[in-house]
Amino acid sequence: AQSVAQPEDQVNVAEGNPLTVKCTYSVSGNPYLFWYVQYPNRGLQFLLKYITGDNLVKGSYGFEAEFNKSQTSFHLKKPSALVSDSALYFCAVRDPMNTGFQKLVFGTGTRLLVSP
Amino acid sequence: DTGVSQDPRHKITKRGQNVTFRCDPISEHNRLYWYRQTLGQGPEFLTYFQNEAQLEKSRLLSDRFSAERPKGSFSTLEIQRTEQGDSAMYLCASSLTGDGNTIYFGEGSWLTVV
Repeated sequence: AQSVAQPEDQVNVAEGNPLTVKCTYSVSGNPYLFWYVQYPNRGLQFLLKYITGDNLVKGSYGFEAEFNKSQTSFHLKKPSALVSDSALYFCAVRDPMNTGFQKLVFGTGTRLLVSP
Repeated sequence: DTGVSQDPRHKITKRGQNVTFRCDPISEHNRLYWYRQTLGQGPEFLTYFQNEAQLEKSRLLSDRFSAERPKGSFSTLEIQRTEQGDSAMYLCASSLTGDGNTIYFGEGSWLTVV
């Protein structure tokens, strides 16, 4: 069964500095990987995804993520953090070997706090 | 193109009462999902529809839970005889076959059982 680990409960970064939110995964085949962001009392907003192709994928709001198959990781990055980026970030994986169903499995989330 | 719409956004109910949540997916999205999220956790899958057919149900979906999508458009999630452990945010999501597997979520429906 697929799984996702987000090893950091919280990441603190100063505005203007680069940020990284870590994610590792486990699936039986080549993964489909996603990042979502959640603001307080809101639903999840899609940021970006990796299906195939270039290992570096770009998404909304200046975020990008790098797929690393050997390390089974899909870390979320942004070159320059904004205070408004402060939110809860979820990594999710789908196992395409399970062709009958498209369940996303989520990590436990990482809270990003960007200080002014 | 509107997003996934959920109603009500918040519901407080007494233990033992029934509650129903409604979800309107993005138009023309043939797939619809229900997830549950508790504080400090990531969303957990509950059930999945392709058009009007309910194709998958999680073990989390006890007999007190029922979901329908009668015409392949909107969906309802009913919880009967609510328990305090049902308190959570119920998220609906939708996707379109061939859209790169991207699932779009609604704003969620908060349930508090007192």
